[in-house]
Amino acid sequence: GAGVSQSPSNKVTEKGKDVELRCDPISGHTALYWYRQSLGQGLEFLIYFQGNSAPDKSGLPSDRFSAERTGGSVSTLTIQRTQQEDSAVYLCASSLNQGQPQHFGDGTRLSIL
Amino acid sequence: QKEVEQDPGPLSVPEGAIVSLNCTYSNSAFQYFMWYRQYSRKGPELLMYTYSSGNKEDGRFTAQVDKSSKYISLFIRDSQPSDSATYLCAMSEGIGGNEKLTFGTGTRLTIIP
Repeated sequence: GAGVSQSPSNKVTEKGKDVELRCDPISGHTALYWYRQSLGQGLEFLIYFQGNSAPDKSGLPSDRFSAERTGGSVSTLTIQRTQQEDSAVYLCASSLNQGQPQHFGDGTRLSIL
Repeated sequence: QKEVEQDPGPLSVPEGAIVSLNCTYSNSAFQYFMWYRQYSRKGPELLMYTYSSGNKEDGRFTAQVDKSSKYISLFIRDSQPSDSATYLCAMSEGIGGNEKLTFGTGTRLTIIP
């Protein structure tokens, strides 16, 4: 597709379960970013990939959060042992290269019961 | 104090009015400045992307950056009901520095027909 694609668009799960969120960036974009948007905290950076490497993981809130990117394309954000405070919209963005404008997907709305 | 401050509004103006949105920031290392528009349950959409100080115009939108005052603005001329959305300012240090975007909290704008 032409834009950043994220799946699922909505996810409801029970506290303690693991979840995987997927991001398919714009074709040819080498940089990929994950952000989290919540009512109380606004839009916060989680992790940045350049190719398959993650030079900046500083925004991951705990060791329950991890992400990987394979083939310089698709990325997966995994949250283990989910907690209620993990409820948020998880947004993925990609850019042609570092220093270029970031374009966002519509996010995955995650609700932890 | 947050790195980026933005008046959350809400802001309501009549159709056809000029809208002024602004953000202040504290990190003098920010070099790239962006404005995003976000409709309900959608991802942020890039409106304007500027580097360093100066003005940039694109149709009805004008972005201004004043690095000496650490102040950025977005002006919308001839506002339309379709401009009703939340507007987010964002900034980054860019290449050689930090790639992540730091966002303001967003201003909710309503254009009254």
